[in-house]
Parts: sequence; C-alpha cells; structure tokens
Amino acid sequence: DAGITQSPRHKVTETGTPVTLRCHQTENHRYMYWYRQDPGHGLRLIHYSYGVKDTDKGEVSDGYSVSRSKTEDFLLTLESATSSQTSVYFCAISGTAYNEQFFGPGTRLTVL
Amino acid sequence: SQKIEQNSEALNIQEGKTATLTCNYTNYSPAYLQWYRQDPGRGPVFLLLIRENEKEKRKERLKVTFDTTLKQSLFHITASQPADSATYLCALVSNFGNEKLTFGTGTRLTIIP
Repeated sequence: DAGITQSPRHKVTETGTPVTLRCHQTENHRYMYWYRQDPGHGLRLIHYSYGVKDTDKGEVSDGYSVSRSKTEDFLLTLESATSSQTSVYFCAISGTAYNEQFFGPGTRLTVL
Repeated sequence: SQKIEQNSEALNIQEGKTATLTCNYTNYSPAYLQWYRQDPGRGPVFLLLIRENEKEKRKERLKVTFDTTLKQSLFHITASQPADSATYLCALVSNFGNEKLTFGTGTRLTIIP
C-alpha cells in the first residue's frame, strides 16, 4: 500500500467517546487526506493537509478535527463520536494536488 | 450543484468482452480526471489519469476517454477477465485550484466466466 499504514484497523466505541485515528506514511509525500466511505455516498473528503501544520476542511468536516505535526503522521479525531460517524475511514497521500493518490488499508469504525 | 455520476451501480459482462463504464459530471471544470479500482475491504488503487486537453489514454487493456463537451469520461477494459471484477471509481480535480479530488460513487463490475 505504497508505504501508508492506518491504525487501528478496526474499532468499536460508544457514543460520546473521543476517538483518534492515525495515518502514517513513509513516502515523504506533501499531501495527506482523510476520507470516509459509506454505501450510496462513495468516498467523501473530511479534511486534508498540504504540509506540516497546514490543513483545510473537506466536504464533510463537521464533528472531525485533524492535526499534522510531522510530515509522516496525519491524525483524525472525533471529539465526541456519534452513530452517524460509523463508517470506513481511508487515509490517502499524494506528491502534488493533481497526482494520483495512494490509499491506506482503511479503518472500520463502529459507534454504538 | 456539482455532481459526478457513474451511471451504473452494477455491470455484468461476459469474459472476453469489452466492459465500458461511464462517468458524467455537471457544474465542474475539471483539470484532471482519474480512475481507481477498489476491491472489497481494501482502499482504492489508482489506474489512469487523463488531463482536460487529452482525448484518450491507454494502459495495457485499459482505455480512458475524456470529452469535455459532453462532460463525460468512458473507461474501457478490453478482453475482460474475472480478475477485473471490482468497483471502479472516477474522480475529478477541479480547475479552480481547490486541490481536492471529488469521487463518484462507483460502478461494481462483475466479469462472468
């Protein structure tokens, strides 16, 4: 998977608890992205980063925050998880904004 | 509003035939269009990129066309094989420099032996 890992791979949590998902890359790519994938909606961008400490919102950013303190790590935090955030979360990286993106293996999150 | 439509949720094709998938968009001025393949339980994998000034791109048995007048891209797999069975996603990068890739919902392709 092009030197990109996600942790955890599976998580079950309860409504109202905080959750942090981690994306780690070894490719030294500038851009990193968090998507969620749900049936009928496809992949939707949550947040993305275009450099260390440089982030911006995507299409479905409400209820999510991100941080990027190092080139290789991009964290996605659900401050207070809700059942509507049950989804499969994918991290992706790319060298430029217009190049192909390389995706991680995904994290399946279930919020009860 | 901006929309990307892949007009078949599922497509069944006989092995050996050409599979053709469609991606239509509205209210976009795409700089680039990309196609990805996704297998169950895995992340998408990049296949091909085509720029707005390119009409066609080929890679082995894959061919992509891009018609900015029709606002459509076609993705062809020739001599299809059961191993080509997967979900195929198209994605656009806008000309307006927001650096975001927007995905269609995908077409699930099944190649029948």
